Amino acid sequence: EVQLVESGGGLVQPGRSLRLSCAASGFTFDDYAMHWVRRTPGKGLEWVSGIDWNSGGTGYADSVKGRFTISRDNVKNSLYLQMNSLSAEDTALYYCAKANRRTVGANPFDYWGQGTLVTVSS
Amino acid sequence: QSVLTQPPSVSGAPRQRVTISCSGSSSNIRNNAVNWYQQLPGKAPKLLIYYDDLLPSGVSDRFSGSKSGTSASLAISGLQSEDEGDYYCASWDDRLNGVVFGGGTKLTVL
Repeated sequence: EVQLVESGGGLVQPGRSLRLSCAASGFTFDDYAMHWVRRTPGKGLEWVSGIDWNSGGTGYADSVKGRFTISRDNVKNSLYLQMNSLSAEDTALYYCAKANRRTVGANPFDYWGQGTLVTVSS
Repeated sequence: QSVLTQPPSVSGAPRQRVTISCSGSSSNIRNNAVNWYQQLPGKAPKLLIYYDDLLPSGVSDRFSGSKSGTSASLAISGLQSEDEGDYYCASWDDRLNGVVFGGGTKLTVL
């Protein structure tokens, strides 16, 4: 059974940093691209970032480019999101999602985690 | 303002059929596949339709997808109360070089 378990969310002050993690199991992690998607009350689902199976390619939404960094450890079957210079607009439930192919692109997210909540507030 | 445009809400009576539209452009829907996700209250999103019109294993055949030009549609037949939730279309955008979502459509079963 595919499982994606996010962690690392919490309350953080504006301008500070946070690192999210996603522990994957139940599939061959290094065969698939992985993504972060967030849900905000006002904007619905928003793609944040994606990474190819071997970290050879990454992509970011314009709203996080230059502030967030996606990475993965195929030995630990884990996905990460380093979030710097956080602002209130980054407050959201962050989901880890598995793609059905090796590369970031027009491929569907066939499994999702339950999400980890990030709240940016002073 | 989402790159893909969906109606904010749709509604229908039990057993009726509803459709949800998703409008985009040549940089996304026309040239790339459309995927649909269902998010029920308090749950994680779930893949509902992929590559325009394919049904994942385990998803009811009451759901179907189609695409024409720069628009796509999700149809739900035989509405049931458990279908109530939010529905999102998504595609790859060649100009933005990233995944784009619609703003989401809230389905209410009357």
